[in-house]
Amino acid sequence: SQELEQSPQSLIVQEGKNLTINCTSSKTLYGLYWYKQKYGEGLIFLMMLQKGGEEKSHEKITAKLDEKKQQSSLHITASQPSHAGIYLCGGPGTSYGKLTFGQGTILTVHP
Amino acid sequence: KAGVTQTPRYLIKTRGQQVTLSCSPISGHRSVSWYQQTPGQGLQFLFEYFSETQRNKGNFPGRFSGRQFSNSRSEMNVSTLELGDSALYLCASSLIAGGPGEQYFGPGTRLTVT
Repeated sequence: SQELEQSPQSLIVQEGKNLTINCTSSKTLYGLYWYKQKYGEGLIFLMMLQKGGEEKSHEKITAKLDEKKQQSSLHITASQPSHAGIYLCGGPGTSYGKLTFGQGTILTVHP
Repeated sequence: KAGVTQTPRYLIKTRGQQVTLSCSPISGHRSVSWYQQTPGQGLQFLFEYFSETQRNKGNFPGRFSGRQFSNSRSEMNVSTLELGDSALYLCASSLIAGGPGEQYFGPGTRLTVT
């Protein structure tokens, strides 16, 4: 079964700094989702990538799916305290409706 | 358009009891998936329903069950609760069944089993 590994597991940055979170799959990705979660709350959909080389941006967050479709990166430019939370990548499994998630990256942004 | 709603938000139960959680998907969405999130195991898929039919099931014991109604609202039930069932239970809705497709999550139900 597919496994997703995120790195780093946690990240502490100063406000205004750029940062990157990576998500690596053990198998080819046929779609990759990025979510953000505040502790104990639901997941907020950020973006979905489907094609190798695809890149999407939303405000100061950019995500890319690499050409070989086994890794995705999430880049935050000029981080703000509002970016703090847990970032999760998810990939569709081999069967209906199932998403497999990475273990999450905890982001802390110090003002 | 209203998002995914889950009720109740918090629940405390005793071992051996049973519990029912509810999820109302985004209007027009017909697929509802359920996930369990714990610090040790992360997010794990429970099951997915589409048009009142269970399409897929994760690796959980039979104590975990669910159903979907004709209005796409879904419930999940856990019988004979165990301490290890304490978790955040999340449901997600999507327009179509299966993937890839955007899944939108609700705020979750925090279940504590004592």
